[in-house]
Amino acid sequence: GNSVTQMEGPVTLSEEAFLTINCTYTATGYPSLFWYVQYPGEGLQLLLKATKADDKGSNKGFEATYRKETTSFHLEKGSVQVSDSAVYFCALSDRAGTASKLTFGTGTRLQVTL
Amino acid sequence: DSGVTQTPKHLITATGQRVTLRCSPRSGDLSVYWYQQSLDQGLQFLIHYYNGEERAKGNILERFSAQQFPDLHSELNLSSLELGDSALYFCASSVGHEGNTIYFGEGSWLTVV
Repeated sequence: GNSVTQMEGPVTLSEEAFLTINCTYTATGYPSLFWYVQYPGEGLQLLLKATKADDKGSNKGFEATYRKETTSFHLEKGSVQVSDSAVYFCALSDRAGTASKLTFGTGTRLQVTL
Repeated sequence: DSGVTQTPKHLITATGQRVTLRCSPRSGDLSVYWYQQSLDQGLQFLIHYYNGEERAKGNILERFSAQQFPDLHSELNLSSLELGDSALYFCASSVGHEGNTIYFGEGSWLTVV
């Protein structure tokens, strides 16, 4: 079956530091890949997505590239802010081009300090 | 605000009881999804309804059931509750039956004591 593995947190960074959160996946076929963010006390928000190999998703300074050869979708940001403190979830869909039946990673908590 | 509304936001109930969680999807969305977020299982897909019909089932227990009504709101019914059912239950919605982007509500916190 499908699975997603994320680096364990928490990740603690100083403001303006570079962020990488690793995500690797196992899937049959060609799933779409997603990063969701959960701020304290809130629901999940879609951060970015990529629907096919070599696609780069980007939003709010965050980026992730769909790497089929390494089955990875690492999240990066060049300069984090305190407001980026949240839990980040990597996810994949069961079919290409859809967000149906998502399989999530365990989440990585990011804490950014001044 | 995603536009997906879930009620109640918090619920405390005793073991053996039954509860109903309610979800109103975004205006125009025909698909509703239910997810469970627990400490030990993480985020798991439960079930997907499209325009009143069940489309896909995930790791949903037999004690749990869901339905989507003609006005497109959905309810998740949890019965014979156990301590391990304590979790955050998310509803999400999308326009089509295989939405490329789904929007999550803020969740319903269920505590079973």
